[in-house]
Amino acid sequence: EIVLTQSPATLSLSPGERATLSCRASQSVSSYLAWYQQKPGQAPRLLIYDASNRATGIPARFSGSGSGTDFTLTISSLEPEDFAVYYCQQRGAFGPGTKVDIK
Amino acid sequence: QLQLQESGSGLVKPSQTLSLTCAVSGGSISSGGYSWSWIRQPPGKGLEWIGYIYHSGSTYYNPSLKSRVTISVDRSKNQFSLKLSSVTAADTAVYYCARRIVVVPELGYYFDYWGQGTLVTVSS
Repeated sequence: EIVLTQSPATLSLSPGERATLSCRASQSVSSYLAWYQQKPGQAPRLLIYDASNRATGIPARFSGSGSGTDFTLTISSLEPEDFAVYYCQQRGAFGPGTKVDIK
Repeated sequence: QLQLQESGSGLVKPSQTLSLTCAVSGGSISSGGYSWSWIRQPPGKGLEWIGYIYHSGSTYYNPSLKSRVTISVDRSKNQFSLKLSSVTAADTAVYYCARRIVVVPELGYYFDYWGQGTLVTVSS
């Protein structure tokens, strides 16, 4: 069973800053990893799949990288609507999430 | 545009069975390449995958819930359902239905469309 860990738990940044979120898998998952964004009271939204492919309609400021066990989600310049919780996912496993909040 | 909508009882007594349905619109539940999932989120906590079903009726469940979970599909109504038996307070959560898209069988799959979620509270 794959276990996903995310760091940091909380990231406090200002609009316009760059956000770097990490996800680590307990064993190699090749490039089969996704990232989701969840805002309060809303369902998660698929951002990135296959580690680096943006889902339909996702802005270019969101990018993903990594393979094997270490993955990164980068938001190049935070917009006000980007403050949310971000989860990584591999098959039936979800990470615990990283909350990006306003500094 | 594909849409998913959960419905069902929002309050269930301990030891009883939770029942939810997900209606799919804007697309067919029988479309190839997809399966249909249930995912839950306890208040203030993270996401937990429950299971999924193909339009053929084949299912796969989270091993931690397998003994209590049944997912079924009704192709004529374009919907699928979840039953979770012997519920306790630990089953209180927002329950989401979602479409599962498989990139590589058994290696990579993702959830690309989600319902808005429905809160189910287990309480006497």
